Amino acid sequence: DAGITQSPRHKVTETGTPVTLRCHQTENHRYMYWYRQDPGHGLRLIHYSYGVKDTDKGEVSDGYSVSRSKTEDFLLTLESATSSQTSVYFCAISEAGSVTDTQYFGPGTRLTVL
Amino acid sequence: AQTVTQSQPEMSVQEAETVTLSCTYDTSESDYYLFWYKQPPSRQMILVIRQEAYKQQNATENRFSVNFQKAAKSFSLKISDSQLGDAAMYFCAYRRFQGAQKLVFGQGTRLTINP
Repeated sequence: DAGITQSPRHKVTETGTPVTLRCHQTENHRYMYWYRQDPGHGLRLIHYSYGVKDTDKGEVSDGYSVSRSKTEDFLLTLESATSSQTSVYFCAISEAGSVTDTQYFGPGTRLTVL
Repeated sequence: AQTVTQSQPEMSVQEAETVTLSCTYDTSESDYYLFWYKQPPSRQMILVIRQEAYKQQNATENRFSVNFQKAAKSFSLKISDSQLGDAAMYFCAYRRFQGAQKLVFGQGTRLTINP
């Protein structure tokens, strides 16, 4: 299994509070991603990173920001959480040009915004 | 923009039987990758199988195989000799061949295995 951890694994917070989710990898992969999973939508890309300090938006980026100051860590921040951001969040990693060239996923974080 | 559609929200199959999950996609590109991921109740996303669009041969991984019809933009997953451990959500996903390795997922199909 790819070495990907997410913290926290579960979080309950209130509307308007800031929340930061952390993804940590031990694979030294270049690419990291944040997805959200909601019923009826599958997984949708929020933001991704193609290197330290290099990030770009996905299809559902409004209300989210990211940062990557080290290869191994990718942070997702909800500046002011809303109930619509209640979801399961997955981090993924991949390495361009590798034999498998495939994304591997972390265990997910369940976030509930009350 | 690319889209992926899984038209079967739920499927069920008897243990030891064969089941096929459907996936269609829309793209204007000629080279790309397609994937099937499995998500059991543990919520972990597990890669089942991948297909490169430039390969005509259908991918196979043990009891899992795909039927890739490029012209029809169809990518179905066949599970043979279904086992109780195959019960899960299955997601079809598309990725461009070049550029950012972003995955576009379908809505998922929940597969139930009846003993």
